[in-house]
Amino acid sequence: GQSLEQPSEVTAVEGAIVQINCTYQTSGFYGLSWYQQHDGGAPTFLSYNALDGLEETGRFSSFLSRSDSYGYLLLQELQMKDSASYFCAVRGGQGGKLIFGQGTELSVKP
Amino acid sequence: NAGVTQTPKFQVLKTGQSMTLQCAQDMNHEYMSWYRQDPGMGLRLIHYSVGAGITDQGEVPNGYNVSRSTTEDFPLRLLSAAPSQTSVYFCASSYGGANGELFFGEGSRLTVL
Repeated sequence: GQSLEQPSEVTAVEGAIVQINCTYQTSGFYGLSWYQQHDGGAPTFLSYNALDGLEETGRFSSFLSRSDSYGYLLLQELQMKDSASYFCAVRGGQGGKLIFGQGTELSVKP
Repeated sequence: NAGVTQTPKFQVLKTGQSMTLQCAQDMNHEYMSWYRQDPGMGLRLIHYSVGAGITDQGEVPNGYNVSRSTTEDFPLRLLSAAPSQTSVYFCASSYGGANGELFFGEGSRLTVL
């Protein structure tokens, strides 16, 4: 089976940097993904890590350590529009089958 | 591009009624899946399909059936609705590439009374 753990809530101020951690347990591992969801709308893809290290996409970066079964999403220069829920997801098999964590609600304050 | 289209967007059922949530994608994706989202529970995988004619169970399949007769369509059937199935349902598709990026529909909000 697969399970993921991430904090339920994180609060930060505009312009700051925030890190959302994710630990996972899985019988097979193809990669760790991150998704963003605003106000219960459709989740949208942010990033994917299959190999150890840091992947950077603009203000967002994602890190993976396969030996530690751990990853994180780093958001820099926070903006009010970054207030959303963030989900990590493990791809444990071929074909894109994803199992999601319970999500972290990020609140960005002025 | 329509992407992933779900219908209906809202539905109210009585306990014991049956219904089908429709999902269609126009991206020629092989992989399709259904998730339900409840407060504090994240997205839980109900059923998924890796291609036409192939389906498999996810984390919470009980009470739901699926079929995949075409690449484009992946309907989710509730045979006898229960209040525990009150939730927001998301359909997603993927081309199954290296990063497995899922494209989600806008969701179907189901209430079972």
